[in-house]
Amino acid sequence: AQTVTQSQPEMSVQEAETVTLSCTYDTSESDYYLFWYKQPPSRQMILVIRQEAYKQQNATENRFSVNFQKAAKSFSLKISDSQLGDAAMYFCAYRRGETSGSRLTFGEGTQLTVNP
Amino acid sequence: EPEVTQTPSHQVTQMGQEVILRCVPISNHLYFYWYRQILGQKVEFLVSFYNNEISEKSEIFDDQFSVERPDGSNFTLKIRSTKLEDSAMYFCASSEVVYTDTQYFGPGTRLTVL
Repeated sequence: AQTVTQSQPEMSVQEAETVTLSCTYDTSESDYYLFWYKQPPSRQMILVIRQEAYKQQNATENRFSVNFQKAAKSFSLKISDSQLGDAAMYFCAYRRGETSGSRLTFGEGTQLTVNP
Repeated sequence: EPEVTQTPSHQVTQMGQEVILRCVPISNHLYFYWYRQILGQKVEFLVSFYNNEISEKSEIFDDQFSVERPDGSNFTLKIRSTKLEDSAMYFCASSEVVYTDTQYFGPGTRLTVL
């Protein structure tokens, strides 16, 4: 079974600084997708970024980028120029890629605090 | 931008009662999902649904749970006889039927069982 691990329960960053959230996963699959979701206090799950395992290029979305290390099974999220609105719980998630409609497996989450 | 909606936002019920949580997926999506998140814990998969049948379910999704698409827009999760441990946030999600599908989540329903 696939597992996702986020070893940082809490992180903090100063506004305008950069922070990196860590995620590792375990799978025997070769085709899969990885995601970062953000959960603000409203508890809505918001997609931040996704990465296809077959792509070597790291995904970027504005201030958000990932460092995908397939051999190490590592998928970290970098937030640049942190803003107060980035404060939230961040979940890393895995989905196998061999078929559509597969379940997401989530990590435990990292609570990010942004200090003004 | 299309979004997944869920009602109610908060449901309070007595132990042993039946509850139905409702979701309206994004209109062109055909895969639907339910996840739950017990307070302070990770998000857990319950069930996925496609073409009017369950395509995958987790060990959490036992006989007290059922899902249904009663019409062309709604997707429901029924819990027949609620237990205290069913108190959680329940998220509905939907995705397109493509190889690279991404699941988009609704705002969740907070279920409190007393």
